[in-house]
Amino acid sequence: EAGVVQSPRYKIIEKKQPVAFWCNPISGHNTLYWYRQNLGQGPELLIRYENEEAVDDSQLPKDRFSAERLKGVDSTLKIQPAELGDSAVYLCASSLGGGGLETQYFGPGTRLLVL
Amino acid sequence: GDSVTQMEGPVTLSEEAFLTINCTYTATGYPSLFWYVQYPGEGLQLLLKATKADDKGSNKGFEATYRKETTSFHLEKGSVQVSDSAVYFCALSRAGGGNKLTFGTGTQLKVEL
Repeated sequence: EAGVVQSPRYKIIEKKQPVAFWCNPISGHNTLYWYRQNLGQGPELLIRYENEEAVDDSQLPKDRFSAERLKGVDSTLKIQPAELGDSAVYLCASSLGGGGLETQYFGPGTRLLVL
Repeated sequence: GDSVTQMEGPVTLSEEAFLTINCTYTATGYPSLFWYVQYPGEGLQLLLKATKADDKGSNKGFEATYRKETTSFHLEKGSVQVSDSAVYFCALSRAGGGNKLTFGTGTQLKVEL
């Protein structure tokens, strides 16, 4: 069974440029999460989707970050414009459900460097 | 709010040594507790979990016991191997919290021959 797929694995951009990350969850997983992991820290949740609905986006900086999961399968996280402080690893995870403490399966992440 | 505190690393051990990585938590209610492991270049993988007090999670020789009285979930392994070198994250999730994981800062383990 394929795991969570993310692309690109690495991205280097200059500040003020836009950037997008893509995630394809495990087949059949209804719940999708985006986390951000700063250097030396644990991941922090940015947004959670149940199918195509964003049910928790309280930690998403909405002035510059946006996300979508149009068909309830794959998802895109965008930053526009990027700032130096956005340098981090962006992790995508998926689970069968979101309310019953289902195990989350993580992708390898996208490492972003903003110069 | 919820929080998880782990012992700082890096932790360097010789092969076959005993491992303990301390983890304590703060949360309302009765959270579920997890240990995730991140091998170099790979994504986070669930190592073990415990969903209620006094439960013991175990996997690949690792184990951790959910201690409600001390709000702890320490990770242990009796004999580490070089292949255990990785970053270990303690995390919690609360029922009604939307399956949101709250992570500690991670502890890097390096096992040497």
